[in-house]
Amino acid sequence: DVKVTQSSRYLVKRTGEKVFLECVQDMDHENMFWYRQDPGLGLRLIYFSYDVKMKEKGDIPEGYSVSREKKERFSLILESASTNQTSMYLCAISAGGLDTGELFFGEGSRLTVL
Amino acid sequence: GQNIDQPTEMTATEGAIVQINCTYQTSGFNGLFWYQQHAGEAPTFLSYNVLDGLEEKSRFSSFLSRSKGYSYLLLKELQMKDSASYLCAVSDSNYQLIWGAGTKLIIKP
Repeated sequence: DVKVTQSSRYLVKRTGEKVFLECVQDMDHENMFWYRQDPGLGLRLIYFSYDVKMKEKGDIPEGYSVSREKKERFSLILESASTNQTSMYLCAISAGGLDTGELFFGEGSRLTVL
Repeated sequence: GQNIDQPTEMTATEGAIVQINCTYQTSGFNGLFWYQQHAGEAPTFLSYNVLDGLEEKSRFSSFLSRSKGYSYLLLKELQMKDSASYLCAVSDSNYQLIWGAGTKLIIKP
């Protein structure tokens, strides 16, 4: 079974704090994604990565950055958290090629920014 | 712009059949996906359609009409554990997934 592990299920941070969300996969998959999920909206892509040290902006990259130093680990960074970044953050990997679209998700990290 | 529409919420009875519709307008089309998401959990893959027609899997089936920009997910013999949100997503010309907001399905005994 494919396993995608996110470092924290629940976090509470203060405005202006730096926040790290980590995602680790146990398979040798190239494609990794960070989404945020908000009520009434579809999943929105923040950043994705096709390989080590490679990153591409998604639809809403503003206020976020990412790091992929090792193939199995993809980190999402909020340099200075703001209240509008309160959300559920989901990491996903693509087990097949990009044309399959089948994603495996981590359990999610629910971030609250006060 | 790109858009995926699906009903916000539906209610059905245990043992019955329910159809969840999804309409889309996207830049290109490389397949349509359905995911299930139980409350507080991650989405899990249900089905993939890239050609017109019906794909059947056990109690769940998914239909696609590319000319109409339309899909539905059909759930038969509903069980209480089917209470979840069902997400429709389309892969566009760049193989990026465009997601609908999801349909919350409530199953009543």
